[in-house]
Amino acid sequence: EAQVTQNPRYLITVTGKKLTVTCSQNMNHEYMSWYRQDPGLGLRQIYYSMNVEVTDKGDVPEGYKVSRKEKRNFPLILESPSPNQTSLYFCASSFLAGELFFGEGSRLTVL
Amino acid sequence: SQQGEEDPQALSIQEGENATMNCSYKTSINNLQWYRQNSGRGLVHLILIRSNEREKHSGRLRVTLDTSKKSSSLLITASRAADTASYFCATDARSGGGADGLTFGKGTHLIIQP
Repeated sequence: EAQVTQNPRYLITVTGKKLTVTCSQNMNHEYMSWYRQDPGLGLRQIYYSMNVEVTDKGDVPEGYKVSRKEKRNFPLILESPSPNQTSLYFCASSFLAGELFFGEGSRLTVL
Repeated sequence: SQQGEEDPQALSIQEGENATMNCSYKTSINNLQWYRQNSGRGLVHLILIRSNEREKHSGRLRVTLDTSKKSSSLLITASRAADTASYFCATDARSGGGADGLTFGKGTHLIIQP
């Protein structure tokens, strides 16, 4: 089954404790992207990747890192999480210029 | 930057009526896409319209694109309670070398009253 898988789905952590949200797709998509969704602000793009070893900043990259060592994986790293990074995070993938396929979301709370 | 801007922010109509949502954007695009989201779930793709197309249909959905006005509309005909969701437009400038990836607006929250 074609899918985008994010883990963990729910996480509560404390300020400063590094964490990684994994994202994997099985559709051989070139493009992958991370978004955060906050009430009243819609989806804001954090980072995206057009292909392996190619990543670019989106609208809100501060406090986040990503890597794209393999085509199928695009982890989102929070080196030192802060409470303002409490949010619902979505990973998505697509062929270039195609429709996005979204994961089910990862709800992160930073205390 | 966040390109698309949906209007209205919220819309409540009776079942059976038509729902129209609008999207305006700022820069050149290759295509524009509409997505639907149910209550905190992942977004689901509805329809994609390319920059050289003016109208597209899919079932009860009709999308128009006016590149001269940098705007698009999504029409849902004969609405059903199950259409209650948030709807987002996304502007795509990726394959043309656009630096912004695929970016979304803030969405229109549609409520269909039974």
